[in-house]
Amino acid sequence: KQEVTQIPAALSVPEGENLVLNCSFTDSAIYNLQWFRQDPGKGLTSLLLIQSSQREQTSGRLNASLDKSSGRSTLYIAASQPGDSATYLCATMDSNYQLIWGAGTKLIIKP
Amino acid sequence: EAQVTQNPRYLITVTGKKLTVTCSQNMNHEYMSWYRQDPGLGLRQIYYSMNVEVTDKGDVPEGYKVSRKEKRNFPLILESPSPNQTSLYFCASSFNPGQARYEQYFGPGTRLTVT
Repeated sequence: KQEVTQIPAALSVPEGENLVLNCSFTDSAIYNLQWFRQDPGKGLTSLLLIQSSQREQTSGRLNASLDKSSGRSTLYIAASQPGDSATYLCATMDSNYQLIWGAGTKLIIKP
Repeated sequence: EAQVTQNPRYLITVTGKKLTVTCSQNMNHEYMSWYRQDPGLGLRQIYYSMNVEVTDKGDVPEGYKVSRKEKRNFPLILESPSPNQTSLYFCASSFNPGQARYEQYFGPGTRLTVT
């Protein structure tokens, strides 16, 4: 059974720094991997999706990579801003379109 | 405006009293899904649906039912709620995951408390 782990559970960095969030998974037979952000009291917002055949995806200051062989994905945030403060979640989708989620990394960007 | 709506947003109920949480999307999405979110456990998928009349169990389907009679609606039914179903519930929809336009849209969440 797929297990998705995100380390660290929380991260606090000064504004302007580049940072990396980690996501690991136990079963490499994934259909895709997705990154989301969740703001307190709000729903979830899709950030990036990496198909199984892809190595990375980019959107603005965000870059997500995928290494299926090692069971890892990273989300790189460049030039962090206070507005980036949120909980970031990764999730893997299998060939039956079932999603398995990590517990998330709570990110705080200090002004 | 493209959106996923859930009702109610907050619900306090008692053990055993049947309830339904509605979910509706206006984007003509084929794929719809229900999740629950619990502290320390993260998000877990309850049920999902690839299209009308097609539903599948997710990671934690016990104690829940769903139906997909219309493309836009995907209600979550708790026939006999128990305190361990106290949680924050999210509905989501998307085009078929195999399509290039695939991106999940989430509702605002329903906070359920079962006493």
